[in-house]
Amino acid sequence: ETGVTQSPTHLIKTRGQQVTLRCSSQSGHNTVSWYQQALGQGPQFIFQYYREEENGRGNFPPRFSGLQFPNYSSELNVNALELDDSALYLCASSVQLDSGELFFGEGSRLTVL
Amino acid sequence: TQLLEQSPQFLSIQEGENLTVYCNSSSVFSSLQWYRQEPGEGPVLLVTVVTGGEVKKLKRLTFQFGDARKDSSLHITAAQPGDTGLYLCEYQQNRDDKIIFGKGTRLHILP
Repeated sequence: ETGVTQSPTHLIKTRGQQVTLRCSSQSGHNTVSWYQQALGQGPQFIFQYYREEENGRGNFPPRFSGLQFPNYSSELNVNALELDDSALYLCASSVQLDSGELFFGEGSRLTVL
Repeated sequence: TQLLEQSPQFLSIQEGENLTVYCNSSSVFSSLQWYRQEPGEGPVLLVTVVTGGEVKKLKRLTFQFGDARKDSSLHITAAQPGDTGLYLCEYQQNRDDKIIFGKGTRLHILP
């Protein structure tokens, strides 16, 4: 059974640029969610995707967008990067929409200069 | 959307001691999850509690769900340095609701 994998693991961008982060779900999982985790804080929910559609969104502006593909892999896109977007971005998959049990990747650490 | 309050925020104790950390809300949970996160890694699921009053044991870790399903606790017996990490609680009230994490308890076990 393959776990959740994320890429890239680290990246550096400058303010105003755009970034795409990728996530492969755990085998058999059809739901994926994305989180932003600042240093020393708990993960903040960005959004969740189920059957290729957004299903629930946290308090993040529209410049945070996502996609889920037919193979349940996912992307997080952030446009017009700001310094405060520097954080660890975590992807989690779950076996179904309301299972409550999340299986996380190791994250993508984004630094915005 | 209700918040999850975790306490204490930080805890540093000697190896071999016992400890309890807490997760509280004013809402009733349908279920609650606990995770441990180590530096540079994603959170790892430890347990799900569903039934009020439920107690689950995972080796030296004991998880309890309050009778009213508004609070939960994690008790660690004879803490070891490998228990060091950020302990997070999480819930989602309904399937299209936000997923909510507490801010976590950062635990450090001194050898």
